[in-house]
Amino acid sequence: DIVMTQSPDSLAVSLGERATFNCKSSQTVLSTSNNQNYLAWYQKKPGQPPKLLIYWASTRESGVPDRFSGSGSGTDFTLTISSLQTEDVAVYYCQQYYSPPLTFGGGTKVEIK
Amino acid sequence: EVQLVESGGDLVQPGGSLRLSCAVSGFTLSDHYIDWVRQAPGKGLEWVGRTRNKANRYIIDYAASVRGRFTISRDDSKNSLYLQMDSLRTEDTAVYYCAKWQSGAADSWGQGTLVTVSS
Repeated sequence: DIVMTQSPDSLAVSLGERATFNCKSSQTVLSTSNNQNYLAWYQKKPGQPPKLLIYWASTRESGVPDRFSGSGSGTDFTLTISSLQTEDVAVYYCQQYYSPPLTFGGGTKVEIK
Repeated sequence: EVQLVESGGDLVQPGGSLRLSCAVSGFTLSDHYIDWVRQAPGKGLEWVGRTRNKANRYIIDYAASVRGRFTISRDDSKNSLYLQMDSLRTEDTAVYYCAKWQSGAADSWGQGTLVTVSS
């Protein structure tokens, strides 16, 4: 199984500042057949279902603010919030869908400093 | 409008069984992979399993933690999916979500249904 490791576990950032957090997979999630990274990012708030932010490692889902961006390839990935807003307080999860069983990282909790 | 609505969550004793349903609307179910994902209280997201679409022969995959105890099925004619959970354990206590896959990720989710396994 592919193990997803996120860091840090939690992060406190001032409003308007940049938040960056990482996701590492135990093996590559880059497909050589289509040159796509099978990696998604989700936002999870209490009492709400997960919300898709980014897929194929860097493609922003429709309607997601452009302050959210994803980068990386192979085994190392990053989600960046360029200017943190109050509504961004949440836990963020990466997920690989390269091969079943699909696996999530442990999550990074983002708070306001 | 795409909608997924889970139901069937309940309090059940360890060793018991429960069947969750996921009713969908606003899209053609047979065209899509559907995942089940759960979140235990205070814990992270855990992928439970998935059913692929008709084009991929409805192949089903499971997480190791539920394989042999949980069974995913679907009835496209009823726009519904099911998660049969047997031999339930206290660690299966969680909110269970169904989610539709589109363009490489789960883009639509239900609100979830709570399963509590306790004596």
